[in-house]
Amino acid sequence: AQSVTQLGSHVSVSEGALVLLRCNYSSSVPPYLFWYVQYPNQGLQLLLKYTSAATLVKGINGFEAEFKKSETSFHLTKPSAHMSDAAEYFCAVTSYSSASKIIFGSGTRLSIRP
Amino acid sequence: DGGITQSPKYLFRKEGQNVTLSCEQNLNHDAMYWYRQDPGQGLRLIYYSQIVNDFQKGDIAEGYSVSREKKESFPLTVTSAQKNPTAFYLCASENRGNTEAFFGQGTRLTVV
Repeated sequence: AQSVTQLGSHVSVSEGALVLLRCNYSSSVPPYLFWYVQYPNQGLQLLLKYTSAATLVKGINGFEAEFKKSETSFHLTKPSAHMSDAAEYFCAVTSYSSASKIIFGSGTRLSIRP
Repeated sequence: DGGITQSPKYLFRKEGQNVTLSCEQNLNHDAMYWYRQDPGQGLRLIYYSQIVNDFQKGDIAEGYSVSREKKESFPLTVTSAQKNPTAFYLCASENRGNTEAFFGQGTRLTVV
């Protein structure tokens, strides 16, 4: 069985500050991990994904995430927040298995203070 | 352009009526999903299908039904048995070999 936990339903940072959104996963098989972003009244858009290649993954809009197996974590970071980063962010896990389905975390709403 | 299309974007339903939400993809993906999203909450899985003519219940399947007669299409019917259907509904698809999911733009259903 797989699961994912996002710590903090709401994170607020100042414009220009570091963004850190936390995600921990549980998986009995090698996981594939994802971060998605959702703007109001829209679908989810892929930010980045980890599929067992490099552990540091770079995505769109300056975001990156590091896969840490020992900590079962896949935290999302961005060095300098921009107002346009305000959105809902979802972490997700799956695996390469015919029986696997994507499991999403509960989401973290990111607010940016001017 | 390849993608996944949900229609309509907004839908109003009277109490006691069944309504069907459309989801079509031209990405040749095997798996398709329906999620429900309520304000301030995450995604809850309603149904998913990993192959044509087969589908499984998710975490909140009661009051919903689906079909998967074609690879490209995975319509969701919200029945009168669903007591609180007002929500934002998202459809997604994925290809086993590629792993990432692609999402439609969502349908906002309101009961009037």
